[in-house]
Amino acid sequence: GQQLNQSPQSMFIQEGEDVSMNCTSSSIFNTWLWYKQDPGEGPVLLIALYKAGELTSNGRLTAQFGITRKDSFLNISASIPSDVGIYFCAGLQGAQKLVFGQGTRLTINP
Amino acid sequence: DTEVTQTPKHLVMGMTNKKSLKCEQHMGHRAMYWYKQKAKKPPELMFVYSYEKLSINESVPSRFSPECPNSSLLNLHLHALQPEDSALYLCASSHPLAAAYGYTFGSGTRLTVV
Repeated sequence: GQQLNQSPQSMFIQEGEDVSMNCTSSSIFNTWLWYKQDPGEGPVLLIALYKAGELTSNGRLTAQFGITRKDSFLNISASIPSDVGIYFCAGLQGAQKLVFGQGTRLTINP
Repeated sequence: DTEVTQTPKHLVMGMTNKKSLKCEQHMGHRAMYWYKQKAKKPPELMFVYSYEKLSINESVPSRFSPECPNSSLLNLHLHALQPEDSALYLCASSHPLAAAYGYTFGSGTRLTVV
């Protein structure tokens, strides 16, 4: 099946630093979603991307849908302690199935 | 607060037990999903119900039996599970034809099979 390659797998940063992570796929997706998951909780939607080339922001978060529809990145500016968690990209396959990347674990040193 | 509610939050069961996981949403969504998430892995789709009918089964073993009694409820019946079935089980819901615009997950049930 389709797979998403997400990198980096983990990041250790200082509070206040900017963060960048990305996902690539061998197949085209028409929708990319970025989720954050805290320990013991379900994924929470951060940003949804629907058009190739689209750049969308949500507060300190910015995400872009690649022109080829095979990649996406997520940036977080001026990181704060509550940004700690696991970030997943996900592509919508067909009408309903989400295919997830392997996740990026973000750790912030105060 | 999540709009998809899952119960119980934690469950420990023996390999000979029968148990059920429950999921409820009141967002008017007519598609509901079960995902399985192993530790340090991403969620993986198990089942999809559209308009209360099973539309996708990702080759899940028969010891997992889904049920959608109405448009707000989704159950996952468990029987004769194995220790490797221990995982976080996530329920989600969306509009069946516009999943991209509102795919919402619950907080999950942490299942441990002993």
